[in-house]
Amino acid sequence: DIVMTQSPDSLAVSLGERATINCKSSQSVLYSSNNKNYLAWYQQKPGQPPKLLIYWASTRESGVPDRFSGSGSGTDFTLTISNLQAEDVAVYYCQQYYSTPFTFGPGTKVDIK
Amino acid sequence: EVQLLESGGGLVQPGGSLRLSCAASGFTFSSYAMSWVRQAPGKGLEWVSAISGSGGGTYYADSVKGRFTISRDNSKNTLYLQVNSLRAEDTAVYYCAKATNSWELLNAFDYWGQGTLVTVSS
Repeated sequence: DIVMTQSPDSLAVSLGERATINCKSSQSVLYSSNNKNYLAWYQQKPGQPPKLLIYWASTRESGVPDRFSGSGSGTDFTLTISNLQAEDVAVYYCQQYYSTPFTFGPGTKVDIK
Repeated sequence: EVQLLESGGGLVQPGGSLRLSCAASGFTFSSYAMSWVRQAPGKGLEWVSAISGSGGGTYYADSVKGRFTISRDNSKNTLYLQVNSLRAEDTAVYYCAKATNSWELLNAFDYWGQGTLVTVSS
């Protein structure tokens, strides 16, 4: 199974500043045949289901603000929230869908400083 | 508008069974793989099972293999999860989730239901 880790566990960022979340997979999630990274990012607010933010490691889902961006390849990935807004307070999860069992990272909690 | 509505959760004793359902609308259900993902109280997300659009391919997490069965009825636009031999550690909110792209299992999940709570306790 592919193990997903995230860092940090939590972070507090001032409004308008940048939040950076790292995600690492225990093996590459890059398919050489199509050069796609099978990595997604989700946002979950209390009492709500997860919401897809980013897929293929860097493709923003329709309707997601452009302050959310994803980068990385192979085993190391980053979610960046630039110009943090109050509504971005949430837990963020990375997920690999390269192979079953699909696995999620443990989550990173983002708060306002 | 895509909608996923889970039902069937509840309080069940250890060793008991439930059948969870997910009614889908707003998209061509049979064209998309579907998954169940669960979240124990205060914990992270755990993928449980997936099924191909046709229903011919099914996949499970090791933690539920042999106890849970995923299925779908494309004529009713409904996804199911039969959960048997329940344990306390199966207590969680169970979400159904839709694959982003049609005809492909290996996809992110672009729509999620609101979830149904399964509580396993005596």
